[in-house]
Amino acid sequence: EAQVTQNPRYLITVTGKKLTVTCSQNMNHEYMSWYRQDPGLGLRQIYYSMNVEVTDKGDVPEGYKVSRKEKRNFPLILESPSPNQTSLYFCASSTSHRANYGYTFGSGTRLTVV
Amino acid sequence: GDSVTQMEGPVTLSEEAFLTINCTYTATGYPSLFWYVQYPGEGLQLLLKATKADDKGSNKGFEATYRKETTSFHLEKGSVQVSDSAVYFCALSDPGGNTPLVFGKGTRLSVIA
Repeated sequence: EAQVTQNPRYLITVTGKKLTVTCSQNMNHEYMSWYRQDPGLGLRQIYYSMNVEVTDKGDVPEGYKVSRKEKRNFPLILESPSPNQTSLYFCASSTSHRANYGYTFGSGTRLTVV
Repeated sequence: GDSVTQMEGPVTLSEEAFLTINCTYTATGYPSLFWYVQYPGEGLQLLLKATKADDKGSNKGFEATYRKETTSFHLEKGSVQVSDSAVYFCALSDPGGNTPLVFGKGTRLSVIA
């Protein structure tokens, strides 16, 4: 089944403890992206990648890192999480960086930083 | 820059009622327009799209028409069901699709039996 898989689905952590949220897609998609979803703010893009070894900042990149060492994986790294990074995170992928192809989204990771 | 404005929710309807969720956009050129749906506990799914003026996207009984003259892409369904309860996002991409999707803030729909 074609899908984007995120792990974990839920995570509670403490301020400053490094964490990684994994994202993997099995569709050989070139384009991958991370969003955060917050009440009243909708979806905001954190980082995106148009292909292996190519990453770019989105609208809210501060406090996050990403890497794209292989096509299928696009992990999101929080080196020193803070409470304002408590949010619902989504990974998405697409055939092409051309957004008019539409995106496939993962099921989300709900992160709480205390 | 490009932006999408959706009607604020939540929207509560009885089963079989008519649904309209308004969406207007600001963009240079002729963007592609999308509606995504997020069911409880899930990620977003592409519901329908339209890539040029006067195109109508449709899926699962939902429709939206790309209106260039009013810069709108309103989502409609003639008879909603309880299973349509979800959050709906309007989104756009630039004409060449070279920039990431820009999303509206989402509209929560609740359908009661």
